[in-house]
Order: sequence, then C-alpha cells, then structure tokens
Amino acid sequence: EPEVTQTPSHQVTQMGQEVILRCVPISNHLYFYWYRQILGQKVEFLVSFYNNEISEKSEIFDDQFSVERPDGSNFTLKIRSTKLEDSAMYFCASIFLLDGELAKNIQYFGAGTRLSVL
Amino acid sequence: GQQVMQIPQYQHVQEGEDFTTYCNSSTTLSNIQWYKQRPGGHPVFLIQLVKSGEVKKQKRLTFQFGEAKKNSSLHITATQTTDVGTYFCAGLSGTASKLTFGTGTRLQVTL
Repeated sequence: EPEVTQTPSHQVTQMGQEVILRCVPISNHLYFYWYRQILGQKVEFLVSFYNNEISEKSEIFDDQFSVERPDGSNFTLKIRSTKLEDSAMYFCASIFLLDGELAKNIQYFGAGTRLSVL
Repeated sequence: GQQVMQIPQYQHVQEGEDFTTYCNSSTTLSNIQWYKQRPGGHPVFLIQLVKSGEVKKQKRLTFQFGEAKKNSSLHITATQTTDVGTYFCAGLSGTASKLTFGTGTRLQVTL
C-alpha cells in the first residue's frame, strides 16, 4: 500500500539552528499538510499546500516556518531558527483530491519526525 | 477558532469491557474522521462520517455522527489489549482544508 514517507525519523538540533524536515507524499496526491504534536498533546494543524502555494496556515505557522515542494516528489518544512518550544513530532499528510471536494478526502499520515531542540 | 473537545481524557478498562469516547465541536462540521494513535506511533485513519445522524460499524467499533453534525462518538464493544492507544476525532468544517483534531482519549486495557 502506498505510504507517506518522512525523513529523518529523529532530528536533534541546537536552539537557533535551521532544520529541514522532509516528506515524500503519496505519488498521485495533490494536497499536502504539516501537523505537529507536542508530547502528550493533540495533533495541531500547521499548514496546507496545494498547487505550489500555501492554501491555509495556522497561527503557529509564523515567519520562522516555510514550506516548499522543490521537485515533483518532496515536500519540506523548514524552521529557520529553532526554539525549545518547537520540540515535537511533525507529521506530514497528503490527500488525493476526489472530485475537488476536500470534505470527502482522507488524509494519509507519515510516521513523523521527532524534532528535539536542545 | 474552532475547538474540538473529547471526553474522557483517559479511560482504563478491563479486557472485555466496553469503551466510549465522545467528541464535541464548537462549530458545525462538514465531516468527521476518527484516528487511532498507538503509543509512539502516528495517527492512523479509522473512518470518516459525512452525513447527519450517520452510524458506521467496523467489527467491534461503532461510530456515530450527531444530527447537528457537531458531535460524534466511538464505541468499542468488548475491548481487547490491541485496542490500546489514543483515539482522536478530527473535523473538517466548510471548505477549510485543515483537520481540527480533538483533544484525544487515551485508552488503556488490562487483562
């Protein structure tokens, strides 16, 4: 079964450093997402991306965050200057757009990248 | 903004007992999805409900979507140790592309 792939599985970084989290969505999917989950808490939406541009973003997704689809397969999340509070699991998800109706679509999640900011 | 709350936060049951988690949204939803997350794992899609009053079953799991499309429930009959994990509801509202996840219910099942 096709799956969303995320690398690395665990990233350790120093506060203030830049990190790039990588995702390879399912090949025929068109809508991409990043979510994060702080340990023991709920999953929080960060950003959605469609047709090479951000579709929607949350309050969490400030100027320190950016997303990119540099080629036909990868979808990346960059955090420019990491803070301690950025430590979390980051999940990528993708959907195939059925009939253009987002409400009918199932999001497939990757296994996540655990980001630890020291 | 939209908030989705779940109760209880945590439930510990003996194997064979039933379990129910309730999900309530502050706004009307287009659809609701349920996910299971095992400890250390990622959310895994279980089911999607779209219609008002919809009820769906998957073996021992029964999912309901409220008539007003603002609440939902997941009921597990005769729990097993394999049911252990956190169950999240997640809602889509209007044309929004994002899922708003509920606060989750962690289920622990012991023999």
